[in-house]
Amino acid sequence: GQNIDQPTEMTATEGAIVQINCTYQTSGFNGLFWYQQHAGEAPTFLSYNVLDGLEEKGRFSSFLSRSKGYSYLLLKELQMKDSASYLCAVIDSNYQLIWGAGTKLIIKP
Amino acid sequence: GAGVSQSPRYKVAKRGQDVALRCDPISGHVSLFWYQQALGQGPEFLTYFQNEAQLDKSGLPSDRFFAERPEGSVSTLKIQRTQQEDSAVYLCASSSYDRAGANVLTFGAGSRLTVL
Repeated sequence: GQNIDQPTEMTATEGAIVQINCTYQTSGFNGLFWYQQHAGEAPTFLSYNVLDGLEEKGRFSSFLSRSKGYSYLLLKELQMKDSASYLCAVIDSNYQLIWGAGTKLIIKP
Repeated sequence: GAGVSQSPRYKVAKRGQDVALRCDPISGHVSLFWYQQALGQGPEFLTYFQNEAQLDKSGLPSDRFFAERPEGSVSTLKIQRTQQEDSAVYLCASSSYDRAGANVLTFGAGSRLTVL
């Protein structure tokens, strides 16, 4: 079967750095997305990786290793507004988006 | 419009009642997806439209679920004879490319359905 694994919940301190991991086992791979979702709101796009390596975008970076079936989202200089769920999603060989359950990130002052 | 609009935002239905949820995607977007999201879970795929054609309905959980997009813009998700297990947030998302375009999805805020 197809599977995306992420930690259920993480806690970090304002101003610090946090890394949210995602491992996947899917039938084929055509890219990986990270989305942010605040409670009661729509998921919003953060990053897209299709090649191995690190993509940096401001305070957020996303890394992909296709051979390991692994990605992480790195958030720097954490702000209280970064408290949200972070969803990892993989496009499989049928161009279906397979979603993880999301990681709830709690930021403490 | 500027974003994906969904209505109603909240719907409470009695068990057995029919409900209709509306999605107004970004103008000109080819692809439209419906997802079901339970509390604390990621979105689960329901169905996919490319313009007015429903190309994939493999995620619809039963024949009580029906979706349409007759003119290739607004879409409606209908749930007949609602059951308590249908309680969830129903998310609509659209994209300017077809499914193979691996393009970013823009989501609506969702319709939260509670079945009593």
